[in-house]
Amino acid sequence: TAGITQAPTSQILAAGRSMTLRCTQDMRHNAMYWYRQDLGLGLRLIHYSNTAGTTGKGEVPDGYSVSRANTDDFPLTLASAVPSQTSVYFCASSDSSNTEAFFGQGTRLTVV
Amino acid sequence: KNQVEQSPQSLIILEGKNCTLQCNYTVSPFSNLRWYKQDTGRGPVSLTIMTFSENTKSNGRYTATLDADTKQSSLHITASQLSDSASYICVVTLETGRRALTFGSGTRLQVQP
Repeated sequence: TAGITQAPTSQILAAGRSMTLRCTQDMRHNAMYWYRQDLGLGLRLIHYSNTAGTTGKGEVPDGYSVSRANTDDFPLTLASAVPSQTSVYFCASSDSSNTEAFFGQGTRLTVV
Repeated sequence: KNQVEQSPQSLIILEGKNCTLQCNYTVSPFSNLRWYKQDTGRGPVSLTIMTFSENTKSNGRYTATLDADTKQSSLHITASQLSDSASYICVVTLETGRRALTFGSGTRLQVQP
């Protein structure tokens, strides 16, 4: 079972360019999340989706957008990247009971 | 503002020794508390999960405790192994409509031979 998969694993992106981070899960989980992890800080929630067709803003949503066209996929888009978006991004999913959250392996993004 | 604070920030111990990591939280209303292990370059993996009515939960050499009155949790690692070297993250779930996860910044543990 693949679980939850992110792509790419890492990326160097020029400031001002756009990029979409991909996240796919095969566990049929309703809820999906995007977090960023920066040195010395906990994982911070960017956006979330409780179910297909719905999304919501987390703690640090500015500069990011998401969509949830189906249950399996939850892409994160940076419309115009800035250096402060250099971070490691984690996608996660959980079932309706939210008793367990599963994380992808992360995407290391460097904006230069 | 809901917060989860962990201590120490980092810890070095010798292989075979025990250690205890601390987590204090102010998240309210509280649903559950989890401890995750995050190896370098990997995503977090769940170790234990406890609801407010549970005060201890074990997973092999890992034992988590919870005091919901004082809003404190600890993770005790017994007979540490080199493979225990990782970051350990305390995560508290809000009992709200979207059940957001609030993460601590983690304790970086290094086990030396």
